[in-house]
Amino acid sequence: ELKVEQNPLFLSMQEGKNYTIYCNYSTTSDRLYWYRQDPGKSLESLFVLLSNGAVKQEGRLMASLDTKARLSTLHITAAVHDLSATYFCAVGMNSGGSNYKLTFGKGTLLTVNP
Amino acid sequence: DSGVTQTPKHLITATGQRVTLRCSPRSGDLSVYWYQQSLDQGLQFLIQYYNGEERAKGNILERFSAQQFPDLHSELNLSSLELGDSALYFCASSPKIGFREAFFGQGTRLTVV
Repeated sequence: ELKVEQNPLFLSMQEGKNYTIYCNYSTTSDRLYWYRQDPGKSLESLFVLLSNGAVKQEGRLMASLDTKARLSTLHITAAVHDLSATYFCAVGMNSGGSNYKLTFGKGTLLTVNP
Repeated sequence: DSGVTQTPKHLITATGQRVTLRCSPRSGDLSVYWYQQSLDQGLQFLIQYYNGEERAKGNILERFSAQQFPDLHSELNLSSLELGDSALYFCASSPKIGFREAFFGQGTRLTVV
């Protein structure tokens, strides 16, 4: 069974600082997703990483994927309050035909303090 | 707006009751996924439908069932509700085969009292 582990689960950081969220997964996958969720809201897709060495950046967030290590990172640069949210990584697996399943990590609750 | 519509947004019901949650996928999306999000279990995959047929099952209780109709909307039926079923239920849809990014609806918050 595929397991997805995120750490840390809680992250409190000051504005202007940098930090990294880690996502480890247990079996080979064909893609890795990062989502953002604001309290009581839906999940917003941030990044889809398709291959080993993939790096994507959007604003202050940068995601990377190392399929050999089964590790993805979400790096936050010079955090601002608006980035406060819960961040999920999810691993996608195709089990044949149109059977496709996303398995989520437990999420990282990020709080950016002034 | 992801284009995935879920109704109702909030639902409060008593233990032992039955409820139906509805999901309309994005136009053209054939796959619908249901997820349950609770504080203790996180985001759990429940079930997937593709073009009307059940394709994958996750941690879905026997008291729960789902279906996808010819117009591709889906319903999740929860029966004999327990307090522990209180959660946020998300529906997601994904585009045609070959592009698998899922788009999530706003969710239905179910409170069982």
